[in-house]
Amino acid sequence: DIQMTQSPSPLSASVGDRVTITCRASQSVSSFLNWYQQKPGKAPNLLIYAASSLQSGVPSRFSGSGSGTDFTLTISSLQPEDFATYYCQQSYSIPWTFGQGTRVEI
Amino acid sequence: QVQLQQWGAGLLKPSETLSLTCAVYGGSFSGYYYNWIRQSPRKGLEWIGTINDSETTNYNPSLKNRITISVDTSNNQFSLKLSFVTAADTAVYYCARGRLRDFVLWGQGTLVTVSS
Repeated sequence: DIQMTQSPSPLSASVGDRVTITCRASQSVSSFLNWYQQKPGKAPNLLIYAASSLQSGVPSRFSGSGSGTDFTLTISSLQPEDFATYYCQQSYSIPWTFGQGTRVEI
Repeated sequence: QVQLQQWGAGLLKPSETLSLTCAVYGGSFSGYYYNWIRQSPRKGLEWIGTINDSETTNYNPSLKNRITISVDTSNNQFSLKLSFVTAADTAVYYCARGRLRDFVLWGQGTLVTVSS
């Protein structure tokens, strides 16, 4: 299985900050990398697919980049509703696997 | 507005079979991939398996011997059965729909507890 490792965790930030979350794969996943946001008691919500494509309805302050083994999720200006846990997920080979999550907190 | 609604037993004894069903309301059923994913404090988010409307399945090898995922296209539903459950299967189980490689639309989640 491909192991996904996220850093940092947790991440302390303030409203208006530019925030970057890193995800590293144990082997190359090309650009088959997705990002999700999860709030307490809710299901995850897809933000970015194929490493850099913004899912419909997701604010443009979210962006993704990277390929191979190293990926980043950037929030350009953190909003109060962005305090949540973020997960990366590889979709290069089955079984699809997730990172352990990065909690963004005040 | 397309929604996924899931249901099933929330409390099981060891060795019993977990059974969950997820229904798609408000949109087309065909052309998508339907998944089961679980989340626990111990293992985080774990993909269980997927099925499409042609009944093609892919399962997580770690669970493959115990899983059955099926689809009922006439009722826009898909189901998960996980046999011989243990405490390690205690988790919140989600159904999710997506394209082949992602999970776009999620159900509300079902907490399944395995305890004697």
